[in-house]
Amino acid sequence: QQPVQSPQAVILREGEDAVINCSSSKALYSVHWYRQKHGEAPVFLMILLKGGEQKGHEKISASFNEKKQQSSLYLTASQLSYSGTYFCGTERGSTLTFGKGTMLLVSP
Amino acid sequence: DTGVSQDPRHKITKRGQNVTFRCDPISEHNRLYWYRQTLGQGPEFLTYFQNEAQLEKSRLLSDRFSAERPKGSFSTLEIQRTEQGDSAMYLCASTSYNYGYTFGSGTRLTVV
Repeated sequence: QQPVQSPQAVILREGEDAVINCSSSKALYSVHWYRQKHGEAPVFLMILLKGGEQKGHEKISASFNEKKQQSSLYLTASQLSYSGTYFCGTERGSTLTFGKGTMLLVSP
Repeated sequence: DTGVSQDPRHKITKRGQNVTFRCDPISEHNRLYWYRQTLGQGPEFLTYFQNEAQLEKSRLLSDRFSAERPKGSFSTLEIQRTEQGDSAMYLCASTSYNYGYTFGSGTRLTVV
C-alpha cells in the first residue's frame, strides 16, 4: 500500500522546473507532500484533500486526481533551497503512508 | 510554541537493553504519531494517538515496542530488548485534523 513516487531522482539547474509524481493503488482521502533535507526532519509543504481543497506552500503547487489516485508536485523556477528529498504521504484512515522519496538536487 | 520536541537526539545502546524516547507535541494538536525512518526510505508508521487514546498500531510493530501518552500531552516510546535491526531514526509528529504533520527532529538510535 506504499505509494509509488517517480522519478527517484532529479537534477536541475537553478531556475528550471520539475514535476514529482505519486500514485497509489488504493482510494485516498488526502495526499501530503513533505521535503526533507539531509539530517533534518521532514517539513510539511502541502496537503490536498478529497474534494479539491488545498492547504500549503505559497511557491509550490500540486494536483490531486482522486479517480486515478495520483498526485503531482510542481516545482517552478527552482531555487538552491529546493534541494532535498520529497516524500508524498497518502491518507486513507487517520495515518499517512509515505513513499520512498524523490531526491532533488538544484545546482547553480 | 516552539514546535515538536524530542529527547534524546541520539541514543547508543547495547543489544538487549531497553530504551525510552520522549516526544512533546505542539500543545494545540490532539493527534500524535510515531514513525521510524531508515536511510534511503520514507518514514514508516508505528503508532498513533488521539488525545490520550492509542487508536492505531502498525501490524508490523513488534511486541517489544510500546507507547503511551498519559493525559494527552507528551508521549513516550519504549523499545525493550533492543536488536540491531531497531537502529533507525525515530520521528514524532503532531497535527490537528486535516492539517499537515509537524515533525520533531527525531531520536537517532544506534544498537551495538
